[in-house]
Amino acid sequence: DVKVTQSSRYLVKRTGEKVFLECVQDMDHENMFWYRQDPGLGLRLIYFSYDVKMKEKGDIPEGYSVSREKKERFSLILESASTNQTSMYLCASSLTLRTGVDTEAFFGQGTRLTVV
Amino acid sequence: KNQVEQSPQSLIILEGKNCTLQCNYTVSPFSNLRWYKQDTGRGPVSLTIMTFSENTKSNGRYTATLDADTKQSSLHITASQLSDSASYICVVSGNRGSTLGRLYFGRGTQLTVWP
Repeated sequence: DVKVTQSSRYLVKRTGEKVFLECVQDMDHENMFWYRQDPGLGLRLIYFSYDVKMKEKGDIPEGYSVSREKKERFSLILESASTNQTSMYLCASSLTLRTGVDTEAFFGQGTRLTVV
Repeated sequence: KNQVEQSPQSLIILEGKNCTLQCNYTVSPFSNLRWYKQDTGRGPVSLTIMTFSENTKSNGRYTATLDADTKQSSLHITASQLSDSASYICVVSGNRGSTLGRLYFGRGTQLTVWP
């Protein structure tokens, strides 16, 4: 069964802390994504990666960084957490075929991060 | 600019009734369009996928339509059930160039089904 696993469902951190959100997929997908989801704003892309050690900024990368040292793992890092980073974070992975058509994106269960 | 717009933002219907959700997009070049269902506190799950050449696709009580010329899609839910209460998100995939591999999300329609 297809699986994207995020390390935590709920997380509470203090302002200024460095926060790591981990995501692992077991489908050998090249593409991995980090989104945040806020009420009324939908899903917004933070960063994505097409391959190991490769990363691209999404629409809202400020205050975040990512790491992809292994194909199956994509980490989101909040260098210095702030209260406006309180949100639901969703990781996803997908496969792009040689034809350029990509497969379905599979999502993790989400991490609800609260920064106090 | 590549965008996906959904309407209505929210919808309340009675159990057993039908409803239709709308999605308009400007993503180009376009690869495929998916409708996802997201239950509260969970990640989105794919319901249907439609490519450029497909007009209609059904998945149980869900029927999606696509008009690639007008860049519009709809999701029709028949005989709604309480478990249909969720957010429905329209997602468009880019095909090549600057949109290759990118997913463009609508903000979702929050559907509530009342008994």
